[in-house]
Amino acid sequence: ETGVTQSPTHLIKTRGQQVTLRCSSQSGHNTVSWYQQALGQGPQFIFQYYREEENGRGNFPPRFSGLQFPNYSSELNVNALELDDSALYLCASSLGVATNEKLFFGSGTQLSVL
Amino acid sequence: AQRVTQPEKLLSVFKGAPVELKCNYSYSGSPELFWYVQYSRQRLQLLLRHISRESIKGFTADLNKGETSFHLKKPFAQEEDSAMYYCALSGSKNGNQFYFGTGTSLTVIP
Repeated sequence: ETGVTQSPTHLIKTRGQQVTLRCSSQSGHNTVSWYQQALGQGPQFIFQYYREEENGRGNFPPRFSGLQFPNYSSELNVNALELDDSALYLCASSLGVATNEKLFFGSGTQLSVL
Repeated sequence: AQRVTQPEKLLSVFKGAPVELKCNYSYSGSPELFWYVQYSRQRLQLLLRHISRESIKGFTADLNKGETSFHLKKPFAQEEDSAMYYCALSGSKNGNQFYFGTGTSLTVIP
């Protein structure tokens, strides 16, 4: 059984650029959620995908978008990067969308926007 | 508004002493409550969830709906308990969205 993997581990971009972060879910998991963790804060929910459809979204602007593929890998895309987008981005997969589901986290992608 | 509050950013206890990490929440409904832990150089992982009513690594947490709290407790702290602890709740109002607190960094002094 493989765990959740994220790539790249670190990324540096400049303001206004676009970025794509990738996540491979744990085997058998059909649900993936993305979180943003700013320094000194807890993870903040961006959105969730279930069977390739968006299944909930947090308080993030439309320039944050995502995709989930048939093999349950997923992407987080951020357009028009802003300095405040600098954070650790976490991907978490789960077996389903029940509220008591256990989340399995990746190690994250550290994004720096200059 | 949904919110998870962890009032202590840093907590230090001596080995063998009891430890309690506080968590209060607000949620308009019936949330599920969790504790997640991040050990040094490891990824965030589930420690326990209230629905399971389990004890993991000697830790327990009781959901107090009257006080809207879900404090994490362990009677005798061990050095390996040093880590970052996050209280979290999930609800079904917007997908399976988890709300995390800001975390408490626990240091167990030998």
